[in-house]
Amino acid sequence: GAGVSQSPRYKVAKRGQDVALRCDPISGHVSLFWYQQALGQGPEFLTYFQNEAQLDKSGLPSDRFFAERPEGSVSTLKIQRTQQEDSAVYLCASSLANVEQYFGPGTRLTVT
Amino acid sequence: KQEVTQIPAALSVPEGENLVLNCSFTDSAIYNLQWFRQDPGKGLTSLLLIQSSQREQTSGRLNASLDKSSGRSTLYIAASQPGDSATYLCAVRLGSGNTPLVFGKGTRLSVIA
Repeated sequence: GAGVSQSPRYKVAKRGQDVALRCDPISGHVSLFWYQQALGQGPEFLTYFQNEAQLDKSGLPSDRFFAERPEGSVSTLKIQRTQQEDSAVYLCASSLANVEQYFGPGTRLTVT
Repeated sequence: KQEVTQIPAALSVPEGENLVLNCSFTDSAIYNLQWFRQDPGKGLTSLLLIQSSQREQTSGRLNASLDKSSGRSTLYIAASQPGDSATYLCAVRLGSGNTPLVFGKGTRLSVIA
């Protein structure tokens, strides 16, 4: 399969726990985006990487959210001290420069 | 700040009907507009992408139009089928670089057999 993959697909965390969500983009795609989709809402932008450089993190809701892409391929979104309002689907998308974004299946995070 | 609105929020139609989903955006300086389909518990599937210089795109039973000056797009689905039941999302991209998409909240479509 040559699509974007994300893991885990489902994650249940107790309030206060740290979580790490992984995204494997399409091979060769330089750009990688993270979005957060709350229930009944459209996806909202969190952060953007071009290769290993994080060019835009304006959508990250708090300093508990951190993303990295150290080798310009796989990316990890980390959420520290999870809160109930962090419950959402986290979507990853990748693209070649300037063209269509391809989305992964998402990780559904539930914070109890 | 760009805002994207989709109307209606939900729609239920009998099989075979033609239908129109609406999308509006506040900033007409878009690079392109994309329509996605999202099935429950799944990611986004791109349906149609319209560049800012284009007026419409067609794929099978789907036709999307774009009126950039008025900030509107429509997705027309012909001869709807139960398999078309899903949430349809409209998204716009600003600028010419690799900028993020700004999404509407979606229209939840149910096609009844």
